[in-house]
Amino acid sequence: DTGVSQDPRHKITKRGQNVTFRCDPISEHNRLYWYRQTLGQGPEFLTYFQNEAQLEKSRLLSDRFSAERPKGSFSTLEIQRTEQGDSAMYLCASRPRQGELYGYTFGSGTRLTVV
Amino acid sequence: AQSVTQLGSHVSVSEGALVLLRCNYSSSVPPYLFWYVQYPNQGLQLLLKYTTGATLVKGINGFEAEFKKSETSFHLTKPSAHMSDAAEYFCAVSPIKAAGNKLTFGGGTRVLVKP
Repeated sequence: DTGVSQDPRHKITKRGQNVTFRCDPISEHNRLYWYRQTLGQGPEFLTYFQNEAQLEKSRLLSDRFSAERPKGSFSTLEIQRTEQGDSAMYLCASRPRQGELYGYTFGSGTRLTVV
Repeated sequence: AQSVTQLGSHVSVSEGALVLLRCNYSSSVPPYLFWYVQYPNQGLQLLLKYTTGATLVKGINGFEAEFKKSETSFHLTKPSAHMSDAAEYFCAVSPIKAAGNKLTFGGGTRVLVKP
C-alpha cells in the first residue's frame, strides 16, 4: 500500500486522558500535514513538517497539542489532558517537495471521541 | 488571508440530473484551487485541481470545474448524477509560492442523490 496510513482509525478516551495518533506518509513525500475536522465543517490546518522540521503551527494548536516527526518519516500527534472539544477527525496528509501542483494525499483519518 | 465559501451545505439531486456545487474564494492573488470528495468515515480524495493554464478543468468520476478569475469562483459540475456521487465535497485553496502551501477549506457541501 503506497497511501498515507493513520493509526488508530477510532479512539474513544475519557476527558483528561492523553492520546497519541500516528501517521505514516507516502515514503518519498517530505512534507507532512495535520488537519482537524469537526462535525459538519471543513478540515482546518494544524501544523506541517518539512522532513523532521516543524515549520508552521496554527493558533488552533494549543499547548496541550504536540506533534513530532523525529526522523522525517512517520509523525505523531499527541493531545494531553483531552477535552470534549477535542472530539474531531484528525487527518494527516503528505506531498512531495514540489508537489504543490499535485495536491495532497490524505489518510483516512483518526476519529477521536472524548467522553 | 485566504477564505473559501461554499454556498449550500446540502444539495439534493435526482439520479441523472445536473450536479452544481458552488465555491467562491477570497485571496489577494489567484491561488491554486482544488475540489476534494469525502465519503463517510474516510479521508479526502482529490477530484480535480486548477493551477495554471486552461480554466476548465476535468477531474475524476466525470466532474469538471471552471476557474473564473473575475468572479473569484471555482464551481464544480457533473452533467449526470450517479448514486455513487453521494458524499461531501470540499473546495480548497492553496497560496502560490508560499511556504508550506497549506490548504484552506470551505465548509463543505453534502450531496444527496435521489433515485
